[in-house]
Amino acid sequence: AQSVTQLDSQVPVFEEAPVELRCNYSSSVSVYLFWYVQYPNQGLQLLLKYLSGSTLVKSINGFEAEFNKSQTSFHLRKPSVHISDTAEYFCAVRGSGGSNYKLTFGKGTLLTVNP
Amino acid sequence: DAGITQSPRHKVTETGTPVTLRCHQTENHRYMYWYRQDPGHGLRLIHYSYGVKDTDKGEVSDGYSVSRSKTEDFLLTLESATSSQTSVYFCAISGEGRGTEAFFGQGTRLTVV
Repeated sequence: AQSVTQLDSQVPVFEEAPVELRCNYSSSVSVYLFWYVQYPNQGLQLLLKYLSGSTLVKSINGFEAEFNKSQTSFHLRKPSVHISDTAEYFCAVRGSGGSNYKLTFGKGTLLTVNP
Repeated sequence: DAGITQSPRHKVTETGTPVTLRCHQTENHRYMYWYRQDPGHGLRLIHYSYGVKDTDKGEVSDGYSVSRSKTEDFLLTLESATSSQTSVYFCAISGEGRGTEAFFGQGTRLTVV
């Protein structure tokens, strides 16, 4: 079984401030980890993913996440946010082996960037 | 954008009636998923499919059934709709291979009155 815990349901920040959205997971097998973003009234889009190798992964719009196996975490960070980053962010986990293609999501974190 | 279409996009139905939502893909991906999204619950997996006629239950499958007779179509049926099934439903598709991410449809907003 696998599960994902997003520790903050809402994170309000001011524009140009740094932000961290926290994600912890549990799984009995090796995993792939994902962050998705959902803008209002839209579907989900992949933001970034960790498969293996370097524990720090980056997106094209300035977000990064670090995989920490010992702490079973995959926190998302951005050093300076913009108004346009306002959205809901979902952390997700999937088993990396065999036939486990079930993709499990956390409950989401609503990031609100204020001027 | 991945070729994935959900229909209808919006539906209002009465309690006790059956409802079918359709997910259609043009990517020939093997895996297809149905999720529901509710405030405070994130996305919860209802059912998923790992091939034609091969399906499995997710964490909230009670009251729902699915069918996949063709690679491109994955149908979700609410056998007898209840108000607790009012939600936004998302279909997702995923290919095989290492770390392949899921691509999502635009969602179907279902209201059961």
